[in-house]
Amino acid sequence: NAGVTQTPKFQVLKTGQSMTLQCAQDMNHEYMSWYRQDPGMGLRLIHYSVGAGITDQGEVPNGYNVSRSTTEDFPLRLLSAAPSQTSVYFCASSYWVNTEAFFGQGTRLTVV
Amino acid sequence: DQQVKQNSPSLSVQEGRISILNCDYTNSMFDYFLWYKKYPAEGPTFLISISSIKDKNEDGRFTVFLNKSAKHLSLHIVPSQPGDSAVYFCAASERNSGGSNYKLTFGKGTLLTVNP
Repeated sequence: NAGVTQTPKFQVLKTGQSMTLQCAQDMNHEYMSWYRQDPGMGLRLIHYSVGAGITDQGEVPNGYNVSRSTTEDFPLRLLSAAPSQTSVYFCASSYWVNTEAFFGQGTRLTVV
Repeated sequence: DQQVKQNSPSLSVQEGRISILNCDYTNSMFDYFLWYKKYPAEGPTFLISISSIKDKNEDGRFTVFLNKSAKHLSLHIVPSQPGDSAVYFCAASERNSGGSNYKLTFGKGTLLTVNP
């Protein structure tokens, strides 16, 4: 079983470009979330979803969009990449917000 | 405003000894706490959790203690092993009484190094 599949693993973007980070889970989890990890900052919540069709903002949502058209998929869109979005991004899924979360392998994004 | 604080960026212990990782929180609405471990270039993995109705939870070598009055929790690893060397994150979620706050808040992490 795949768990949480996150793609791509690495990406370099130019300032102003847009892209979508893909996240898929096969555990029928309702709760999915995106985090970014920066040195000395821990994991900061970007957006989350409590089920198909329902999304909400986390701690650092600016510059990112999400949608949840199916239970399985929760893509993260960077609308116009900025150097401040250089980070490692993690997608996670769980039955609920306070249950064990399964994380993807991460995407290392560099914006030049 | 950091609601979950891990004030020790790093901790070094000898193999076989106890590792104690600390976490403080400020939000009295937090009612569930989780610990995650992260190796370099991998996603975090769940270790252990505790509900606010308990003050202790054990799973093998890992024990989490919760002191609600002090808004403090700690993760004990006994005995520590070199394979435990990783970054440990404390996380918390709020009691949701009909509202819409379903966020998991992480601390900044503590790098544990277990020396052979």
